[in-house]
Amino acid sequence: DADVTQTPRNRITKTGKRIMLECSQTKGHDRMYWYRQDPGLGLRLIYYSFDVKDINKGEISDGYSVSRQAQAKFSLSLESAIPNQTALYFCATSGQLDPYEQYFGPGTRLTVT
Amino acid sequence: DAKTTQPTSMDCAEGRAANLPCNHSTISGNEYVYWYRQIHSQGPQYIIHGLKNNETNEMASLIITEDRKSSTLILPHATLRDTAVYYCIVRVGSGFSGGYNKLIFGAGTRLAVHP
Repeated sequence: DADVTQTPRNRITKTGKRIMLECSQTKGHDRMYWYRQDPGLGLRLIYYSFDVKDINKGEISDGYSVSRQAQAKFSLSLESAIPNQTALYFCATSGQLDPYEQYFGPGTRLTVT
Repeated sequence: DAKTTQPTSMDCAEGRAANLPCNHSTISGNEYVYWYRQIHSQGPQYIIHGLKNNETNEMASLIITEDRKSSTLILPHATLRDTAVYYCIVRVGSGFSGGYNKLIFGAGTRLAVHP
């Protein structure tokens, strides 16, 4: 079984809808991250969390919110989806010792029409 | 942050060693070199990292020059499944507790392994 799982893997939604992307991990890591990737571009950090009570904005947090329900779960919400949020979304985790050794999930492909 | 420079693309024959270079001439003494790869539309995959000594794991070897201004990732026996974009990233790494600076995935090197 994969160490980092994301659900759903694919989602098509309409403008204005609320949508939640979920991430779970079995690596026992304290740190979790949400990224988005647009075609031909690099990954951009949306939010990151170093433990259940520590959540931080990344470089593109506007229009997104997160919830760290437990050490193993980190959810990303789009309160009112818009077409330019169409992207590939990745969740990642890392241990306390090294935040740059990150393990990524398989991604969620989100399309907002 | 140290900037990295990588070739845009490289080719390698299946079964041969793939040697991917990275230049990081402005690297600081406490910065590590990390390598990731991303196979098309999949999540990035951590490969290896090092500070100044050469490192090897089950996936690859990392050779860092003595002056630390460049490094080479070596895939000893490339397979078709190694076709991916490879990213060299420099960050203050293991053991540092001074805060978090995001990983920056630049353009990377697009490695094509052919039969």
